[in-house]
Amino acid sequence: NAGVTQTPKFQVLKTGQSMTLQCAQDMNHNSMYWYRQDPGMGLRLIYYSASEGTTDKGEVPNGYNVSRLNKREFSLRLESAAPSQTSVYFCASSEALGRPPGYTFGSGTRLTVV
Amino acid sequence: DQQVKQNSPSLSVQEGRISILNCDYTNSMFDYFLWYKKYPAEGPTFLISISSIKDKNEDGRFTVFLNKSAKHLSLHIVPSQPGDSAVYFCAASERNTPLVFGKGTRLSVIA
Repeated sequence: NAGVTQTPKFQVLKTGQSMTLQCAQDMNHNSMYWYRQDPGMGLRLIYYSASEGTTDKGEVPNGYNVSRLNKREFSLRLESAAPSQTSVYFCASSEALGRPPGYTFGSGTRLTVV
Repeated sequence: DQQVKQNSPSLSVQEGRISILNCDYTNSMFDYFLWYKKYPAEGPTFLISISSIKDKNEDGRFTVFLNKSAKHLSLHIVPSQPGDSAVYFCAASERNTPLVFGKGTRLSVIA
């Protein structure tokens, strides 16, 4: 099915380890996003890419880096994981920033940092 | 400071009755509003949206109402069904900016 694909679905890291979360969309969308969801905190924007070749910080960017590899792919990197980064991470894409018809989300990556 | 607020963390409704989920916003530049639905272990899915030039949008059992003067929107689900049990997120945006989400309301529809 067309949509947003995230890998991996689950990951356990030790404090200080690094990893990259992968995201790919096949809808020819221009904009892509990374959110994290924590209990009682809703969806908070980490980074976004309005179009290929651009990236911008969101609400909670500290401890993360991103790469818009091409129009399809947008990766999120944790250089030195911390327990505070234990969360569910969602990638999303849209035709344009914040405009109709809204975002399509991936199914999420559940990350635990011990 | 939160720009989009969902003040009710949870809501329980009897099957067949109306569910009303509320959302308040502070940014008067927001001109596009959406509701997303999220089941456990899945990503959020788009439910319904409304532009600031309208005050109501209806799609089957789901209706979104927008009151710009009060900076308030609500989602009505009629009749509620057990399959509607999920977390509902309100979101808003202004032109050329990403969506801002509320913290969500967990709806439980009791059979």
